[in-house]
Amino acid sequence: KAGVTQTPRYLIKTRGQQVTLSCSPISGHRSVSWYQQTPGQGLQFLFEYFSETQRNKGNFPGRFSGRQFSNSRSEMNVSTLELGDSALYLCASSLDGGGISNQPQHFGDGTRLSIL
Amino acid sequence: DAKTTQPPSMDCAEGRAANLPCNHSTISGNEYVYWYRQIHSQGPQYIIHGLKNNETNEMASLIITEDRKSSTLILPHATLRDTAVYYCIVGGYQKVTFGTGTKLQVIP
Repeated sequence: KAGVTQTPRYLIKTRGQQVTLSCSPISGHRSVSWYQQTPGQGLQFLFEYFSETQRNKGNFPGRFSGRQFSNSRSEMNVSTLELGDSALYLCASSLDGGGISNQPQHFGDGTRLSIL
Repeated sequence: DAKTTQPPSMDCAEGRAANLPCNHSTISGNEYVYWYRQIHSQGPQYIIHGLKNNETNEMASLIITEDRKSSTLILPHATLRDTAVYYCIVGGYQKVTFGTGTKLQVIP
């Protein structure tokens, strides 16, 4: 079974631009969560989607948004990029939803976003 | 979500058992304990999870105390490839909070 796939792996953008990252979950998984990982803040939860609806949200500004499609694939968008948005963005999928329940999350290898 | 406390770093000799502790004193009744590890430049890898009972799989064993306020992840025969940051997290139907984890260094 294929794992979680995130594209692109690396991305370089400049301040003020916007970016869209893509995540394809494991087949059959309906929950997709997004995380931001930085050296200073560690792994922080962004949001979780289940059946095309955002069900949980972390403490990030409205510049960070996402969506999920009917095939469970998900995208996250960051607008008006800032230097502090440089990070590894991770996507995780699970069978069930609601953040983390009795079903473990399986992570992709992330998209490393660098803002110049 | 309950918070977890882990030692920032640990060393383990290759071939020996690695015992990684985690405190989660504010865990609630329906929250599971999960362990993940992250090797540099990769996404976190799921290891094991449990609610009340001890659990074992091909990778590790999870020992949860009777009061559920702490747990220990055991890697029975650590190898160099087990060098990673290990995260203990607790959660139920809530958003997930990762702590800072334990950096395990397996020494030849």
